[in-house]
Amino acid sequence: DVVLTQSPLSLPVTLGQPASISCRSSQSLVYSDGNNYLNWFHQRPGQSPRRLLYKVSDRASGVPDRFSGSGSGTDFTLKISRVEAEDVGVYYCMQGTHWPYTFGQGTKLEIK
Amino acid sequence: QVQLQESGPGLVKPSETLSLTCTVSGDSVTNTCWSWVRQPPGKGLEWVGYICYSGTTNYSPSLKSRLTMSVDTSKNQFSLKLSSVTDADTAVYYCGRDNMGSIDCWGQGTPVTVSS
Repeated sequence: DVVLTQSPLSLPVTLGQPASISCRSSQSLVYSDGNNYLNWFHQRPGQSPRRLLYKVSDRASGVPDRFSGSGSGTDFTLKISRVEAEDVGVYYCMQGTHWPYTFGQGTKLEIK
Repeated sequence: QVQLQESGPGLVKPSETLSLTCTVSGDSVTNTCWSWVRQPPGKGLEWVGYICYSGTTNYSPSLKSRLTMSVDTSKNQFSLKLSSVTDADTAVYYCGRDNMGSIDCWGQGTPVTVSS
């Protein structure tokens, strides 16, 4: 199985400041069609996950443009340009290139 | 607007079979593939498997021997059956719509506890 390793696992951030989460894959996530099927999800406490980004950098419907994604192959990054209070929770990367799909361990973002 | 709703018993005895159903509204189960993801208490997300209307399935290798998924087009639902459950299967189970290697819509989740 593909192992996704996120860092950091805990991310204290001051409101209005940027934040960045890394997701590294044990195998290349480039599919035969040239796409990297790397997704980012956000889960608030007591809620189901919500998709933020797919195919590395495409924002899901309704996702603010302060969220952006980059990377290819085995190294990927989620960036939040200015953290807001509603951004607290756990962020997961997930790959859909190889079977079975796999998730990273999660990164918990909290406000300092 | 697509909505998914999980249903099923919240308590299952060890060694018995866990059965869950996801009811889809705002889309047809014949249009795409559908996933299950679970989350043990206090832990991260684990992809369980997916099923397409065509009959194609993909199951997590760690669960494959105990897992069966099906689609009921008459009710616009899809289902999961996990046999011989143990404490390790205690989790919140989410259903979701699969979309090109992603899950673009999630149910609210249903907690399942395995206990005698």
